[in-house]
Amino acid sequence: EPEVTQTPSHQVTQMGQEVILRCVPISNHLYFYWYRQILGQKVEFLVSFYNNEISEKSEIFDDQFSVERPDGSNFTLKIRSTKLEDSAMYFCASKGQLNEKLFFGSGTQLSVL
Amino acid sequence: AQSVTQPDIHITVSEGASLELRCNYSYGATPYLFWYVQSPGQGLQLLLKYFSGDTLVQGIKGFEAEFKRSQSSFNLRKPSVHWSDAAEYFCAVGAYNQGGKLIFGQGTELSVKP
Repeated sequence: EPEVTQTPSHQVTQMGQEVILRCVPISNHLYFYWYRQILGQKVEFLVSFYNNEISEKSEIFDDQFSVERPDGSNFTLKIRSTKLEDSAMYFCASKGQLNEKLFFGSGTQLSVL
Repeated sequence: AQSVTQPDIHITVSEGASLELRCNYSYGATPYLFWYVQSPGQGLQLLLKYFSGDTLVQGIKGFEAEFKRSQSSFNLRKPSVHWSDAAEYFCAVGAYNQGGKLIFGQGTELSVKP
């Protein structure tokens, strides 16, 4: 089965630093997403991206967050100035068509110290 | 408010026993319902989904789920659990016109006793 690839699997950063989480969605997919899961809490929707623009974002996705699809293959999540509460597992996901299933990556565990 | 509730945080069953994981949802539009499984260090893998039609849906790995609109439930079942089923299970709800925006439950961690 095709896979969504996320790198790195674990990232440690200092509070206030910028961090970029990288994802390679499945090659012919058109819809891209970021979710996060704080330890012990629910998986939460952050943002959806289609046709090179954000189609929807949650209240969590404030000005500190941005997403980009810099080329035809990568999809990145940037946190400009990390806070302790940004520590979480971040999942990238993609789908081909709106009514198809969502493929998730294995996640990047972000630890902010 | 839109929400998904999985009442059981942790369930332990014996290998070979039957399993039912509960999921209740609150959703304003016609719900599309999903069950995902997450093994340690892995991503979320789709077990099954319900969009419309037959309310009993079959998924991978021998799982099935039944949509009961009157009870706002979408419980996951398996007749005979295998040790490899030990994982975290997430119920999620979404809407067709909201693409991949899903609302997840808290998750149920399943342990399997030999």
